[in-house]
Amino acid sequence: DTGVSQDPRHKITKRGQNVTFRCDPISEHNRLYWYRQTLGQGPEFLTYFQNEAQLEKSRLLSDRFSAERPKGSFSTLEIQRTEQGDSAMYLCASSLRGGSAGELFFGEGSRLTVL
Amino acid sequence: SQQGEEDPQALSIQEGENATMNCSYKTSINNLQWYRQNSGRGLVHLILIRSNEREKHSGRLRVTLDTSKKSSSLLITASRAADTASYFCATDTPGAQKLVFGQGTRLTINP
Repeated sequence: DTGVSQDPRHKITKRGQNVTFRCDPISEHNRLYWYRQTLGQGPEFLTYFQNEAQLEKSRLLSDRFSAERPKGSFSTLEIQRTEQGDSAMYLCASSLRGGSAGELFFGEGSRLTVL
Repeated sequence: SQQGEEDPQALSIQEGENATMNCSYKTSINNLQWYRQNSGRGLVHLILIRSNEREKHSGRLRVTLDTSKKSSSLLITASRAADTASYFCATDTPGAQKLVFGQGTRLTINP
């Protein structure tokens, strides 16, 4: 299958621990997005990459959050010193588009629970 | 911040009926998209309508766009139990490279 894959699907951690999520986009897609979604809400934009360049970061992305896409392929999202408010679904999406944002292909998400 | 506001927040209808969901947004857009999300899963793209289009069809889906009112509607005809999901509108604005999602409408189709 060549869809977007995310790992792990579920992560339970204690407050203060660091967590890292991985996203493998569709191989020919040059854009990769991270969104966060809490229960009953729509996805909120966190950051996006064009190839390996991180082109935009939301104000939601505090200093504890860092994302990378080192070779323009997979991406990682790390959260340091997790807080209970970080509990959410972290969604990755990719697209192949120039100009404006086109159709996004989403992974199944990584659900984070911070105890 | 979220650009789109869906209405209603929740909708429950009988199988076979039509479901209509509305989306309002605040700023000018390049295009508007609708996505579906089953509980606990990722989002799936349904349809994209450009700012210069007024109506678009895809199977049982009909989307309208009124840029003067900054609003869109998604109509699902002849609903099925499998249509039970949350539906989100998403917009991208000129110069932006990201989609901004609304809060969604939770649709329940009762058999």
